[in-house]
Amino acid sequence: EIVLTQFPGTLSLSPGERATLSCRASQSVAGSHLAWHQQKPGQAPRLLIYGTSSRATGIPDRFSGSGSGTDFTLTISRLEPEDFAVYYCQQFGTSLTFGGGTKVEIK
Amino acid sequence: QVQLQESGPGLVKPSETLSLTCAVSGYSISSGYYWVWIRQPPGKGLEWIGNIYHGGSADYNPSLKSRVTISVDMSKNQFSLKLSSVTAADTAVYFCARRVYSSGYVDYWGQGTLVTVSS
Repeated sequence: EIVLTQFPGTLSLSPGERATLSCRASQSVAGSHLAWHQQKPGQAPRLLIYGTSSRATGIPDRFSGSGSGTDFTLTISRLEPEDFAVYYCQQFGTSLTFGGGTKVEIK
Repeated sequence: QVQLQESGPGLVKPSETLSLTCAVSGYSISSGYYWVWIRQPPGKGLEWIGNIYHGGSADYNPSLKSRVTISVDMSKNQFSLKLSSVTAADTAVYFCARRVYSSGYVDYWGQGTLVTVSS
């Protein structure tokens, strides 16, 4: 099973700032198999990015994904108030696994 | 628009079987994709439970495999989860979802349902 480790655990930033979230895999992940989800309190997660860098339908272009192999990054170029949430990376290899999440909170 | 809706008891006694159903609308299960169950204990992260393909082939998280059964009812366009011998550690919000076949990302989620295991 591929283990995904996300860091930092918590990111404290102000609206308008840039957020950089990291996801490291215990072994190489195919680029097409890495996704990012956003979850707000009391809500289901929502797909943001799939295939490492493709935005899901309706996702604004301030969200971008990059990376390869074992290291992947989600970048939010300028934080909007609605972006403060928990973000999970997800991979599919022989099984489906999620990272532990990064909470982006208002500083 | 694809929509998924979980239903089932919100309270299950220890040692009993948790049973949930996910009704799918806006897409026919028989047309493809994998149909997934994921759970989230209170205040914690997401854990994949397992998934089923429309043809009936299922895969399970090895840590839960001995207790889990996922099945599909194409006539009702829904799929189900059974988790046996539950304990307090199985208390969680249970989500049903759809997973893309090849690249494996989850593209649609249900709203989730809280199941509490308690006597």
